[in-house]
Amino acid sequence: NAGVTQTPKFQVLKTGQSMTLQCAQDMNHEYMSWYRQDPGMGLRLIHYSVGAGITDQGEVPNGYNVSRSTTEDFPLRLLSAAPSQTSVYFCASSRGGTGTKTQYFGPGTRLLVL
Amino acid sequence: AQSVTQLDSQVPVFEEAPVELRCNYSSSVSVYLFWYVQYPNQGLQLLLKYLSGSTLVKGINGFEAEFNKSQTSFHLRKPSVHISDTAEYFCAYLETSGSRLTFGEGTQLTVNP
Repeated sequence: NAGVTQTPKFQVLKTGQSMTLQCAQDMNHEYMSWYRQDPGMGLRLIHYSVGAGITDQGEVPNGYNVSRSTTEDFPLRLLSAAPSQTSVYFCASSRGGTGTKTQYFGPGTRLLVL
Repeated sequence: AQSVTQLDSQVPVFEEAPVELRCNYSSSVSVYLFWYVQYPNQGLQLLLKYLSGSTLVKGINGFEAEFNKSQTSFHLRKPSVHISDTAEYFCAYLETSGSRLTFGEGTQLTVNP
C-alpha cells in the first residue's frame, strides 16, 4: 500500500493564482482531512470529509474548497492564493465508525505564495 | 471551548536523560488522546494513543504516556532519550462522538550529545 500520497511536494504561486493540491489514499478509509501547519500553531483543520459526497468545514476554511467524489481522492483547491496561505499542507485519512481512530498523514505539500 | 495545550514549546535535553513532554486538554465530553511525532521535513506518525482501558499507554520507540482524567492531562515520557528522538511532538484529541482531530501547538524536543 502507498498509504496517503500528496502532490505536488513544492509549489510557488503568485498572489491571485489558483491551484489544486492532490491527496489520495489506498486504504479504503472513510475519513479524510486537510490541515495546514504554521510555526508555533500546530496543525489546524481546513476541511474534512466523513465519506464520499460529504464534506464539512474545519477551523480555517476561508479561501479553500474541497470535494469528495470518490473514497480515494480528496483534492484541496485554493481559489485565489494569498501570501497568508503560505504554509505546509498535510492530508490525512482514517477509518470511520468504530475503527482505530488513528489518522495516517501524507508527506505534505510546501506552498509559497508571493 | 475545547482545546489542547502543550506546556513547553521547546525542550532541550542531553542524550540518555529522561524526558517528559506535557499536554493538558479541555473538553466537556469524552475524548480519545494521541501523541504524534514529526521528524524534520516529514509528515506526522502516531506514537501512541489512549482510547480506553489502562491509563498507562505504551507506544513506539520506548515512549509512554499516562492519561489522568482528574487533571485532564496526557503527558509523554521516555526514561532515556537518543539523538534520533529529536523531532517535534504533537498532542491531539478526538471527541469520542466526533471525527475532528484537534492538535496542540507542538513541542520541539532537541536531544544533545
